[in-house]
Amino acid sequence: QVQLVESGGGVVQPGRSLRLSCAASGFTFRNHGMHWVRQAPGKGLEWVAVLWYDGSQQYYVESVKGRFTVSRDNSRNMFYLQMNSLRDDDTAVYYCGRDQRSTHCDSWGQGTLVIVSS
Amino acid sequence: EIVLTQSPATLSVSPGERATLSCRASQSVSSYLAWYQQKPGQAPRLLIYDISKRATGIPARFSGSGSGTDFTLTISSLEPEDFAVYYCQQRDNWPLTFGPGTKVDIK
Repeated sequence: QVQLVESGGGVVQPGRSLRLSCAASGFTFRNHGMHWVRQAPGKGLEWVAVLWYDGSQQYYVESVKGRFTVSRDNSRNMFYLQMNSLRDDDTAVYYCGRDQRSTHCDSWGQGTLVIVSS
Repeated sequence: EIVLTQSPATLSVSPGERATLSCRASQSVSSYLAWYQQKPGQAPRLLIYDISKRATGIPARFSGSGSGTDFTLTISSLEPEDFAVYYCQQRDNWPLTFGPGTKVDIK
C-alpha cells in the first residue's frame, strides 16, 4: 500500500529557511516522479514543484522559483523541499504526491503545516 | 500558464440526485485533465485522470468527459460521502494548474 508521510513543518519567521521531507513506502520509489502541492488556509490547491524519478528534470511554480528546491534520495525513499527566503504567503499545508506520467498525482500524503510569521 | 475556471463555486444537491461540475480551460488541453475530491482536514484523492479514466477504487457513479477547453465531472447519484470540494487539474504544459474548486454541499 502506497504511503507518503510528510514532516518538517512548523512556525518560521519571514526570510528564514525550512526543509520539508516526504517518506515514501509501499511502492518502487525510484520509478516515480514526485510533486509538492500546497494549500493555504481556507484556499484551494496550488501546485509547487515536481521532480522526475531520476532527478533529471524539475519544474516550479513561478512564485517559488529561485527560493525553493526539490531533491530526492532514491536510496532512502525520501523526497525533499528546501524552502528559503520564506514569505508570509508561503503559509500553507504542504502535500507530497506520487506522480503518474508527469500528468497527475495518484497518491498523496496527509500534509505538513508551514506557518510563516514573525 | 493555463488557467482553469470551475463552475458553479457551490452546488447544493440532495442525496440521490445527479451533480454536474464544470471545468473550463483558458486554452485547449490535450488529454491531461484530472479531477480530485477533498474533504475537510483530508488530503485530496484522485478520482479521474486523462479526462475520463477512473482511478483505482473509484465508484462507477463518478464519470468524466469533455475535450478541448470544456470538461465535466458527473456524479450520477450522490451518496452522503460525496459531499466535498472537487478540483480539476491540467498538465498540458507546465506549470501544472488546479481550478479553484467546486463545493458540493447538502441541499
